[in-house]
Amino acid sequence: GQQVMQIPQYQHVQEGEDFTTYCNSSTTLSNIQWYKQRPGGHPVFLIQLVKSGEVKKQKRLTFQFGEAKKNSSLHITATQTTDVGTYFCAALNDYKLSFGAGTTVTVRA
Amino acid sequence: NAGVTQTPKFRILKIGQSMTLQCAQDMNHNYMYWYRQDPGMGLKLIYYSVGAGITDKGEVPNGYNVSRSTTEDFPLRLELAAPSQTSVYFCASSPNYGYTFGSGTRLTVV
Repeated sequence: GQQVMQIPQYQHVQEGEDFTTYCNSSTTLSNIQWYKQRPGGHPVFLIQLVKSGEVKKQKRLTFQFGEAKKNSSLHITATQTTDVGTYFCAALNDYKLSFGAGTTVTVRA
Repeated sequence: NAGVTQTPKFRILKIGQSMTLQCAQDMNHNYMYWYRQDPGMGLKLIYYSVGAGITDKGEVPNGYNVSRSTTEDFPLRLELAAPSQTSVYFCASSPNYGYTFGSGTRLTVV
């Protein structure tokens, strides 16, 4: 499947600060999805991006798909303790998702 | 509407034993998947199904088997368990995009 690389692997954030996590591919992606997994939990679907340059917002979360459709980003503003968890991007190809290794976010109160 | 239900939640197996991980969904989704997640890692696709009677291998199928006799059920069979199969197993279903995951089965092989 298509490989996606996520950086950083770990993100330690002060509560109230902003941060961005990135997802990169060497090939053009038709579809990128983002999931969140809380510690000890299961992945939960957040969003799907399909159009070049697409930007979608969910409250304090902003998702972007690159113009060349080879990268995506997730930006979180005013981080809260509820944002703790691992954020995965995943590329869809032939009905199958290939997941990145994830960015694990911890929050300092 | 329970979503995706996985059983058991936890299991300890001895090397060489076999077991079946159960997965059922009540959303009438055609697509179903089995992933494994090792500590600190992403999810690796084991097997998937695009409909009843149709299954195919993912990235890491060795040591596993699946069947899909109904739309609702997609069990994963482990034959001759090995320590390398110690992992958390997630089943997921999808109507087209946006997977719904079950709560997982934490398996330890000793």
